[in-house]
Amino acid sequence: AQRVTQPEKLLSVFKGAPVELKCNYSYSGSPELFWYVQYSRQRLQLLLRHISRESIKGFTADLNKGETSFHLKKPFAQEEDSAMYYCALVIPPPGAGSYQLTFGKGTKLSVIP
Amino acid sequence: ETGVTQTPRHLVMGMTNKKSLKCEQHLGHNAMYWYKQSAKKPLELMFVYNFKEQTENNSVPSRFSPECPNSSHLFLHLHTLQPEDSALYLCASSQDREEQFFGPGTRLTVL
Repeated sequence: AQRVTQPEKLLSVFKGAPVELKCNYSYSGSPELFWYVQYSRQRLQLLLRHISRESIKGFTADLNKGETSFHLKKPFAQEEDSAMYYCALVIPPPGAGSYQLTFGKGTKLSVIP
Repeated sequence: ETGVTQTPRHLVMGMTNKKSLKCEQHLGHNAMYWYKQSAKKPLELMFVYNFKEQTENNSVPSRFSPECPNSSHLFLHLHTLQPEDSALYLCASSQDREEQFFGPGTRLTVL
């Protein structure tokens, strides 16, 4: 079965410092990878997905199939980036329809002013 | 109200009670999901409905019973729960394989 591992439960960085939230997955095929974020008192929401190759709020993530990783990076952390970050994986089903997200346990990012 | 709504937001129930969680999506999506978020485990998918048909049931105990009367509403009926079922239950919806939109969750405590 597929699995998503986020090795850090908590990550603290100073404002302006680079951030890297680690995510590794176990799946032999070609999954779709996502990062979801949950800010304090807000609902879980999509931050970015690897197929769109976008930079959202200064964050980027590159899928590395050789290392089976999808680390989330930002060059300069801001206080408003403090939140819970969840890496998630989808094994594309055939055809259209719903899909199953497999989540990691999450990493709490704390940006120190 | 827009987006995905869930009621109640908080629920305390005894092990012999029967209660239901409600989810409503106002996004015109065709798929809805129930997730369980416990303190010590990753967010776990419980049930998936696509066009009102249940397509996945991830080995969830029968004391959890989902119902999807139409593509906008999803229920989770609860009966004879155990204290370890205490968790945050999240509902989500999507249009096919596009982004899943989550509700605020129902915080369930089983005494």
